[in-house]
Amino acid sequence: KAGVTQTPRYLIKTRGQQVTLSCSPISGHRSVSWYQQTPGQGLQFLFEYFSETQRNKGNFPGRFSGRQFSNSRSEMNVSTLELGDSALYLCASSPDRVGQPQHFGDGTRLSIL
Amino acid sequence: GEDVEQSLFLSVREGDSSVINCTYTDSSSTYLYWYKQEPGAGLQLLTYIFSNMDMKQDQRLTVLLNKKDKHLSLRIADTQTGDSAIYFCAESIRYGGSQGNLIFGKGTKLSVKP
Repeated sequence: KAGVTQTPRYLIKTRGQQVTLSCSPISGHRSVSWYQQTPGQGLQFLFEYFSETQRNKGNFPGRFSGRQFSNSRSEMNVSTLELGDSALYLCASSPDRVGQPQHFGDGTRLSIL
Repeated sequence: GEDVEQSLFLSVREGDSSVINCTYTDSSSTYLYWYKQEPGAGLQLLTYIFSNMDMKQDQRLTVLLNKKDKHLSLRIADTQTGDSAIYFCAESIRYGGSQGNLIFGKGTKLSVKP
């Protein structure tokens, strides 16, 4: 079974631009969550999607948004990029059944110049 | 609020056992997880334990949970150089019907010396 696939693996953007990251979950997984990893703040939860609806949201500004498609694939968007948005963005998927853990992709490394 | 604490570094010799410790604050956590991260990679699920269990063993890995003290540990038997990585402890906070989000510790960097 293929794992969680995130594209692209690396991105370089400049301040003020916007970016879209993509995540394809493991086949049959309907819940997709996004996390931001930085050296200073560690791993922080961004949001969770299930059945095309945002079900849970972390403490991030409105510049961070996401969506989920009917095939469970998900995208996250960051607008008006800031230097502090440089991070590894990780996507995780799960079957959304009690006791089933989240499985992570290899992430997208976003660098803001 | 929810918080997960881990020591930042651990160094062991190849062949020894490694014990990585973690404390968490939310008593309503239902599942606790251990993930491994190697350089340039995402998080690899190692093992997880339901909060009504005391112990779980999976090959070289043993997880111990002391729910009263909110203390979780991961023991790696016969540690190998390939085990060198950062290990994250995480608790799952459920909201209503949601699978919930994971609250992570800062990670413990395990260095294995040959």
